Amino acid sequence: KNQVEQSPQSLIILEGKNCTLQCNYTVSPFSNLRWYKQDTGRGPVSLTIMTFSENTKSNRRYTATLDADTKQSSLHITASQLSDSASYICVVSAWKYGGSQGNLIFGKGTKLSVKP
Amino acid sequence: DSGVTQTPKHLITATGQRVTLRCSPRSGDLSVYWYQQSLDQGLQFLIQYYNGEERAKGNILERFSAQQFPDLHSELNLSSLELGDSALYFCASSSGGGSNTGELFFGEGSRLTVL
Repeated sequence: KNQVEQSPQSLIILEGKNCTLQCNYTVSPFSNLRWYKQDTGRGPVSLTIMTFSENTKSNRRYTATLDADTKQSSLHITASQLSDSASYICVVSAWKYGGSQGNLIFGKGTKLSVKP
Repeated sequence: DSGVTQTPKHLITATGQRVTLRCSPRSGDLSVYWYQQSLDQGLQFLIQYYNGEERAKGNILERFSAQQFPDLHSELNLSSLELGDSALYFCASSSGGGSNTGELFFGEGSRLTVL
């Protein structure tokens, strides 16, 4: 069964600190992995999209890594800011859609709170 | 601004009623996806349309239906509403729709409250 699991479920850090969010998936055949940021009550916004051959991708203070062998991804946030407080959602795309979710499998997200 | 427009932003209605949520995708995008997000829950895929045709179906209740029109805008119809239908409903669009979905752009959502 295609699944995406994220950890931790929630995280509280102090402003200026770094943090790493995890995403493990069992999706086959793999097409790409995406990280989205969702502010409370707003629509998700894409941070990165990584294909099979990409190991690392950065977007400002966000760095995503992908290990296709172990089927793990991480999102590292550097020098956190109060505006980083949001849910971060890992989404994995399969080459062929299957099951009831089409070809995008969503994780439940990690809720990050950055405190001053 | 993602370029995806959803209306209305907020909607309050009573149980048993019917509502229609509207979505205009980004210019040029052929695929429209609908998602439901209940309080503190993850995004639940409801249905996808590609160029006017239903492409994939998720956990969409029989009381819900959707369609995509020739101008590519989409509507999600929710009927016989129950308290548990209160949620944020997101629309997303992408240029692709087949086996390799392109980047997904989300609207700001429609918040439905059923009293």
